Amino acid sequence: NAGVTQTPKFRILKIGQSMTLQCTQDMNHNYMYWYRQDPGMGLKLIYYSVGAGITDKGEVPNGYNVSRSTTEDFPLRLELAAPSQTSVYFCASIRPPSYEQYFGPGTRLTVT
Amino acid sequence: GESVGLHLPTLSVQEGDNSIINCAYSNSASDYFIWYKQESGKGPQFIIDIRSNMDKRQGQRVTVLLNKTVKHLSLQIAATQPGDSAVYFCAEGPGGSYIPTFGRGTSLIVHP
Repeated sequence: NAGVTQTPKFRILKIGQSMTLQCTQDMNHNYMYWYRQDPGMGLKLIYYSVGAGITDKGEVPNGYNVSRSTTEDFPLRLELAAPSQTSVYFCASIRPPSYEQYFGPGTRLTVT
Repeated sequence: GESVGLHLPTLSVQEGDNSIINCAYSNSASDYFIWYKQESGKGPQFIIDIRSNMDKRQGQRVTVLLNKTVKHLSLQIAATQPGDSAVYFCAEGPGGSYIPTFGRGTSLIVHP
């Protein structure tokens, strides 16, 4: 299994541009998550999904959108990039009843 | 020693010493507790977990202690090695909730 994969690894955006961060898992996990991690800080939940077709907001959803059309994929969309969205983004997944989250390698995004 | 402030709390130890990383949690309803290790440039990786009906659990070179009375969790690493240098996060949540709360993290630096 490849586990959780994310693309791209790095990206620089100009203010107002849009992009999609891709996340795929091949472990047949129901739950998927998007987090952002700012320097020296913990993980903040942006959005999560409990299964295909179901998504819900986390702690910091403003400026982001998600979709979950398949079990494997959970893309994160930034519509109008702002400098405040400069961060490292992690995708994760879980298969209940286990609480262990499997994380992807992250996408480092800079908005200038 | 430890330093806490605007920067990530940091613990510096010598190779071969035992390390103790602490985490205070606030939700008395939390039923599961997980420690993750995040190496530089990578996503967090599961180390060990403990449920609220236990006060100690041991893994390979790691021990997690849970004190529910004072809502405190600790991770002990025996014979710390340079490869243990990373940021360590605790995560917690109520049973049946797959939306954990992450702590801010502690940076462990191991000097050869």
